[in-house]
Amino acid sequence: GENVEQHPSTLSVQEGDSAVIKCTYSDSASNYFPWYKQELGKGPQLIIDIRSNVGEKKDQRIAVTLNKTAKHFSLHITETQPEDSAVYFCAASRYNQGGKLIFGQGTELSVKP
Amino acid sequence: DGGITQSPKYLFRKEGQNVTLSCEQNLNHDAMYWYRQDPGQGLRLIYYSQIVNDFQKGDIAEGYSVSREKKESFPLTVTSAQKNPTAFYLCASSIPPRSGEQFFGPGTRLTVL
Repeated sequence: GENVEQHPSTLSVQEGDSAVIKCTYSDSASNYFPWYKQELGKGPQLIIDIRSNVGEKKDQRIAVTLNKTAKHFSLHITETQPEDSAVYFCAASRYNQGGKLIFGQGTELSVKP
Repeated sequence: DGGITQSPKYLFRKEGQNVTLSCEQNLNHDAMYWYRQDPGQGLRLIYYSQIVNDFQKGDIAEGYSVSREKKESFPLTVTSAQKNPTAFYLCASSIPPRSGEQFFGPGTRLTVL
């Protein structure tokens, strides 16, 4: 069935460094790829998303890249800050088919001051 | 103040009891979703509904039931048939197919004693 693999499961960086989280998906018809940030005990919040008609999208310190040929997409956070510490989830879906999201397993990011 | 509310935040139940988790949204979204989250894992889809009076099973529907009598409400019942009900339950809503973005509620942590 449809599957999304996410790596690494944990990531520790020094404040100011960059962090990269990678995901691969199995369904070649997927066309929507969101990234969510989840703080402890709370619901996930969308931080950035990308659709299959673009290869890269940037929003201040956050960027996402998509390689449809390789079925691979990545989240890049630059100039990390302690408040970036959270669990990050990638997901994939065919947004014109009811919006069913398939989630990766999550990455626990820790930014050390 | 628009958003998704889930109640209660913490819920305890004894084995063999059914329990209903509430999810309400005032975003005028057509679609609603229920996910289960276990420690260190991604979100798994339990049920989803794209329109009032209609819903479909997700990947792990066994032991759960839902109803969608109103656009704003999508309650989830965890039945005694669910073998491992202790988990964090998240409700989400979206407006498919125009946007795949899902908005999440704060979650309900269910513990079976």
